[in-house]
Amino acid sequence: EAQVTQNPRYLITVTGKKLTVTCSQNMNHEYMSWYRQDPGLGLRQIYYSMNVEVTDKGDVPEGYKVSRKEKRNFPLILESPSPNQTSLYFCASSFMGTGDEAFFGQGTRLTVV
Amino acid sequence: GESVGLHLPTLSVQEGDNSIINCAYSNSASDYFIWYKQESGKGPQFIIDIRSNMDKRQGQRVTVLLNKTVKHLSLQIAATQPGDSAVYFCAENYAGNNRKLIWGLGTSLAVNP
Repeated sequence: EAQVTQNPRYLITVTGKKLTVTCSQNMNHEYMSWYRQDPGLGLRQIYYSMNVEVTDKGDVPEGYKVSRKEKRNFPLILESPSPNQTSLYFCASSFMGTGDEAFFGQGTRLTVV
Repeated sequence: GESVGLHLPTLSVQEGDNSIINCAYSNSASDYFIWYKQESGKGPQFIIDIRSNMDKRQGQRVTVLLNKTVKHLSLQIAATQPGDSAVYFCAENYAGNNRKLIWGLGTSLAVNP
């Protein structure tokens, strides 16, 4: 089954404790991205990757890092989480980029206390 | 339609009626438009897309209309069912120098049995 898998689904952590949210896709897609979703602000792109070893900032990259060492995986790293990073996070992938249908993961609800 | 603020615009329809969800997009240079459906607790799911060289596209029970003159996009759902209850997002692919996907804030569709 074609899918994007994120883990964990839910995470509560403390300020400053590094965490990683994993994302994996099995569709051989070139393009992957991370979004955060907040009430009233919709979906905002954090980072994206057009291919292996190619990553770039989206609209709200501050406080986040990503890596793309393999085509299928695109982890999101919060080196020092803060309460304003409490949000619902989605990983997405598409075959070629923004001009193509995106497949989304189920989401990771992160709470930073 | 789309709006800024904490509360999503809500469309309430009776089961079996047709629904029309509207979206005003922002950029004349956008060349691809997509509708996504997001059910509670899930990631956005692709419904239908349309390229800028078309003004109408039909899927199963859904039709997307594109009016480039007034930069307006609409999603029509025929014979709306309870399973159609969700938040619907439009997105435009900006084809300028910095190609990116611009998301609307969403419209909540409530289907009354």
